[in-house]
Amino acid sequence: GENVEQHPSTLSVQEGDSAVIKCTYSDSASNYFPWYKQELGKGPQLIIDIRSNVGEKKDQRIAVTLNKTAKHFSLHITETQPEDSAVYFCAASRGTGFQKLVFGTGTRLLVSP
Amino acid sequence: GAVVSQHPSRVICKSGTSVKIECRSLDFQATTMFWYRQFPKQSLMLMATSNEGSKATYEQGVEKDKFLINHASLTLSTLTVTSAHPEDSSFYICSARAGAGVDDSPLHFGNGTRLTVT
Repeated sequence: GENVEQHPSTLSVQEGDSAVIKCTYSDSASNYFPWYKQELGKGPQLIIDIRSNVGEKKDQRIAVTLNKTAKHFSLHITETQPEDSAVYFCAASRGTGFQKLVFGTGTRLLVSP
Repeated sequence: GAVVSQHPSRVICKSGTSVKIECRSLDFQATTMFWYRQFPKQSLMLMATSNEGSKATYEQGVEKDKFLINHASLTLSTLTVTSAHPEDSSFYICSARAGAGVDDSPLHFGNGTRLTVT
């Protein structure tokens, strides 16, 4: 089955800096890669996703890149703000439909003012 | 956007009792919902896939007789933890996909239920 690894486990940056979180996956058939942000005591919130037919997607300060050959994808957050502090999870699946998501181990991002 | 509501947000129960958690899709129909479990500072682990009108599909190692799932309508799935024990204490999160039959919609998650078994 699919296995998703995520690094780093914790990341501390200063406000305004960029943050990069990386994930690798094992199943070459995976073609859908979402990123979720989870705040303390809440469920994960989808922040961006990418499908295998594109290599990069951007939404304001957030971008995701995908390298299918190397089987890794990354989340990039620019101009970080304290409210970006949370746990971020990457995930992978074979399609968005009824296929289950396999999550990475999470990255705790701390943005200091 | 798609909203998934989960209730209760917190529950404390005594060992040996049963607890029911509800997951509702508020503004869309969901033929499939997923139940996850999350231990402190850990990732989400899929427990089961809930299918409307049929039996749930459980992941390996998850006891189906302990974690009863019912998906009686297109907007409601319930997870019942039967004969709860302290080791069942965890954060339970449901998710659903908007757009039944459309393989192009992302999963949206509820806000989770913190279960504490004393």
